Amino acid sequence: KAGVTQTPRYLIKTRGQQVTLSCSPISGHRSVSWYQQTPGQGLQFLFEYFSETQRNKGNFPGRFSGRQFSNSRSEMNVSTLELGDSALYLCASSLASGTDTYEQYFGPGTRLTVT
Amino acid sequence: GIQVEQSPPDLILQEGANSTLRCNFSDSVNNLQWFHQNPWGQLINLFYIPSGTKQNGRLSATTVATERYSLLYISSSQTTDSGVYFCAVGTKAGGTSYGKLTFGQGTILTVHP
Repeated sequence: KAGVTQTPRYLIKTRGQQVTLSCSPISGHRSVSWYQQTPGQGLQFLFEYFSETQRNKGNFPGRFSGRQFSNSRSEMNVSTLELGDSALYLCASSLASGTDTYEQYFGPGTRLTVT
Repeated sequence: GIQVEQSPPDLILQEGANSTLRCNFSDSVNNLQWFHQNPWGQLINLFYIPSGTKQNGRLSATTVATERYSLLYISSSQTTDSGVYFCAVGTKAGGTSYGKLTFGQGTILTVHP
């Protein structure tokens, strides 16, 4: 079974631009979570999608948004990029449904550099 | 929200040595995972262990949920074990807990030949 895939793997953008990152979960997984990793803040939860609905959102500004498609693939978008948005963005998929919790599996990440 | 503390922050070993990494958490959890982050940034799943004990080769883990801690044991360490080890926890799904793992700050392990 193929693992979680993320595209692109590396990205360089300029302040003020916007960016869209993509995540394809493991086949059969309907939950996708996104995380931001920086040296200063560590790994922080951005949001989670399940069956095309955002069920949970972390403490990030509204410039960070996402969506999920009917095939469970997910995208996240960051508008009006700031230097502080430079980070490794990781997505994870799981079988999670309802109130059950399941193991999360991570993709290789997208490394975003904002100049 | 739930707090996760890992210790030690850094660990330097000679090849062949054993080590224990600790993860303390501040509330009841339904999910606890240990990860190894490779140099390219990918998080590799080591254990899904909200309670009990598991073993996988030279690695084993124990979670004592009632006392809110988990331990990761690495025996006969190898240079390829070097990297950052993360503990992450999740609480019962619902409300602000759906799909959310809260990570510790990690333990940086360096194994010298």
